[in-house]
Amino acid sequence: GNSVTQMEGPVTLSEEAFLTINCTYTATGYPSLFWYVQYPGEGLQLLLKATKADDKGSNKGFEATYRKETTSFHLEKGSVQVSDSAVYFCALKAAGNKLTFGGGTRVLVKP
Amino acid sequence: GAVVSQHPSWVICKSGTSVKIECRSLDFQATTMFWYRQFPKQSLMLMATSNEGSKATYEQGVEKDKFLINHASLTLSTLTVTSAHPEDSSFYICSARDPRLAGGSSGELFFGEGSRLTVL
Repeated sequence: GNSVTQMEGPVTLSEEAFLTINCTYTATGYPSLFWYVQYPGEGLQLLLKATKADDKGSNKGFEATYRKETTSFHLEKGSVQVSDSAVYFCALKAAGNKLTFGGGTRVLVKP
Repeated sequence: GAVVSQHPSWVICKSGTSVKIECRSLDFQATTMFWYRQFPKQSLMLMATSNEGSKATYEQGVEKDKFLINHASLTLSTLTVTSAHPEDSSFYICSARDPRLAGGSSGELFFGEGSRLTVL
């Protein structure tokens, strides 16, 4: 079946540091890949997505590239802010409309 | 983006009682909504797919008699936890896809704020 594996948190880093959250997946066919973010006390929001191999999704300074050869979709940001503190979820959508989520990675950015 | 709202945001109930959680799409019509359960420090687990005007489709291992889902209109789906027990305490989240967005297969879901259930 489909699955998503992402690095466990929490990830604690200082403002302006570089952030990477690893995400790998297993899926049949050609899934679409997503990163969702959950800020404290809020619901999940779509951060970025990529629908085919080599696509790069980007938003709010975050980027992730769909790597079919390594079945990965790592999330990166070059300079994080305190406001980036949240839980980040990697997800995939294969055939059908169901999303499969990774376990989530909590990120804490300290001033 | 599209707005999905849940109510209540938190609820405390006694063991054995039933609790209803509402999920509304505020600015679009959703023929399909999804109900997730999120355990502490864990990911979201899809419980069921709610279909307007028909029966919900439950994921394997989810008790349909325990978690009743009704999707009576294009903007409202409800999840009722029947005869709740402490192990049902969790964070329940609904989501829906806005059919107006280009490329329905893009997969983007809009999520409610979540409802935290605590069963004493």
